[in-house]
Amino acid sequence: AQSVSQHNHHVILSEAASLELGCNYSYGGTVNLFWYVQYPGQHLQLLLKYFSGDPLVKGIKGFEAEFIKSKFSFNLRKPSVQWSDTAEYFCAGSLPGGGYNKLIFGAGTRLAVHP
Amino acid sequence: DVKVTQSSRYLVKRTGEKVFLECVQDMDHENMFWYRQDPGLGLRLIYFSYDVKMKEKGDIPEGYSVSREKKERFSLILESASTNQTSMYLCASSPRVQISPGHFGDGTRLSIL
Repeated sequence: AQSVSQHNHHVILSEAASLELGCNYSYGGTVNLFWYVQYPGQHLQLLLKYFSGDPLVKGIKGFEAEFIKSKFSFNLRKPSVQWSDTAEYFCAGSLPGGGYNKLIFGAGTRLAVHP
Repeated sequence: DVKVTQSSRYLVKRTGEKVFLECVQDMDHENMFWYRQDPGLGLRLIYFSYDVKMKEKGDIPEGYSVSREKKERFSLILESASTNQTSMYLCASSPRVQISPGHFGDGTRLSIL
């Protein structure tokens, strides 16, 4: 069965530390991948997405993610986190043509950034 | 600013009650979605709708139904609420050509006692 896995459920960092959140998917073939963020008390927002082309995707607020097909991974990165990055991050994936109804979310990673 | 509005942020109901969760979007989007969000499980799709009066089941439709009588409004109905439906419910919308839900509401935290 298709799935999206986020192995880190809780991450704690100090400001200015580098961030990498893991995301692995189990789809075979072409896949669309997304990262969403939910700041405390706010609604979910799309950070970035990958459909095809350059495997290094730039998103909002200095985030980027790299699609590595051989590793079935789409890890989220940021070189230097800020306290305002404290949030829950969700990776999601879907099959092209499989429709938006087949978007599958990971369990989420709670990031806490300490000043 | 575009908005997806959910009628309640917090709701407390009793077991066996019929519960309505309302969602309205002002972006003229064709697609609307209902998810539930539970710790350690991420977001799971309950139902989605790609047009007025059109609906399709998501991954966990049991115990729920939906209604889309107008393009801007998508209602989630718990036919007979049970304690295992205590959760955070998120509504989302996107335009027809976009495969991912682009705009989310603030969520409704529903407690079933």
